[in-house]
Amino acid sequence: DTGVSQDPRHKITKRGQNVTFRCDPISEHNRLYWYRQTLGQGPEFLTYFQNEAQLEKSRLLSDRFSAERPKGSFSTLEIQRTEQGDSAMYLCASSDQGLQPQHFGDGTRLSIL
Amino acid sequence: RKEVEQDPGPFNVPEGATVAFNCTYSNSASQSFFWYRQDCRKEPKLLMSVYSSGNEDGRFTAQLNRASQYISLLIRDSKLSDSATYLCVVAFRGRDDKIIFGKGTRLHILP
Repeated sequence: DTGVSQDPRHKITKRGQNVTFRCDPISEHNRLYWYRQTLGQGPEFLTYFQNEAQLEKSRLLSDRFSAERPKGSFSTLEIQRTEQGDSAMYLCASSDQGLQPQHFGDGTRLSIL
Repeated sequence: RKEVEQDPGPFNVPEGATVAFNCTYSNSASQSFFWYRQDCRKEPKLLMSVYSSGNEDGRFTAQLNRASQYISLLIRDSKLSDSATYLCVVAFRGRDDKIIFGKGTRLHILP
């Protein structure tokens, strides 16, 4: 399977814990995006990378959130000191060029107890 | 005005009918437009790109109206399997590229 893969599929954790998600994009794609989606809403942009460079971060991305793509391949999204409001689906997408269609992974569903 | 706006629906449409959705966008510099489909608890999947001259893919037709800043999606001869949420996506180049998703329009095809 050469699509975008995300791990884990589901994460349940207690408020205050740290969580880390991983995304493996389609191998030839140099753009990688992170989104958050809650019920009844469209995906909300969090951040994106061009190769290993993080080019933009949304205002939604508080200081508790950090993302990396150290070698320009897979990416990680970490949330520190999780809060109830962090419960959502976290989607990763990749694309070939800047404004090309994006291919999404299955997402990681985060539930904060 | 929101950057990308869609009627949330739901649209309840009998099987075989034709249904159309619009999506308006606020940034006149927007350059790329897409329709995605998202099934319940699944990831969005690209349905079709939207080209300036309009384009068709089987039962689906997408159109762009730059003057009025909206895109549309028309589904003919709707099938039960078309039931999903349809997301409008608008992209434009600025200091950094921006890709904005609408909240989606829910479609229910009724047997």
